[in-house]
Amino acid sequence: DAMVIQNPRYQVTQFGKPVTLSCSQTLNHNVMYWYQQKSSQAPKLLFHYYDKDFNNEADTPDNFQSRRPNTSFCFLDIRSPGLGDAAMYLCATSVGSSNQPQHFGDGTRLSIL
Amino acid sequence: GQQLNQSPQSMFIQEGEDVSMNCTSSSIFNTWLWYKQDPGEGPVLLIALYKAGELTSNGRLTAQFGITRKDSFLNISASIPSDVGIYFCAGQLSGSARQLTFGSGTQLTVLP
Repeated sequence: DAMVIQNPRYQVTQFGKPVTLSCSQTLNHNVMYWYQQKSSQAPKLLFHYYDKDFNNEADTPDNFQSRRPNTSFCFLDIRSPGLGDAAMYLCATSVGSSNQPQHFGDGTRLSIL
Repeated sequence: GQQLNQSPQSMFIQEGEDVSMNCTSSSIFNTWLWYKQDPGEGPVLLIALYKAGELTSNGRLTAQFGITRKDSFLNISASIPSDVGIYFCAGQLSGSARQLTFGSGTQLTVLP
């Protein structure tokens, strides 16, 4: 059974039209991450939540925001998508107090028209 | 920042052959991870290594945590068509969020 679930799997939006991607988890992990992955590249960390604390990577554009209303859910909001934001967006979770590895969802493929 | 050098970038092998790929770092990690990613899917954890010198197997896969803590390799024995995909190494430090540093990936193609 999927433990990190991302919806939708495929999302198409228009240039400049806000879009929200969602992630839910059944692992009860306290850390949740959002990555951007472009074709043939490694995942790039955008930000993460450690419990309720939001941690932004220094080079993440302001266009990207996140919300975590509870332990199980985390959202990625792209306020004004540009063509360069077309990518796979991956959610991952982990237990912050241990060295156990991150578990990834299957991602949302975002296309910009 | 830390960087991981993963090689080779791509490999074409015949079914049944063994495969080896590796990652090196300019600095040490506390944990090394190997993930496989199929097209359109998220990375799936293959092997996690927690101690320098550790050698761990998962079926036909074997990985080792280098003794210097700056490198790791992954071997796949007797490759099969479903081994096709991109393999990523990732280093992890101790710390509150256990952030990962990824290698650039190895694209594996298995020819029948």
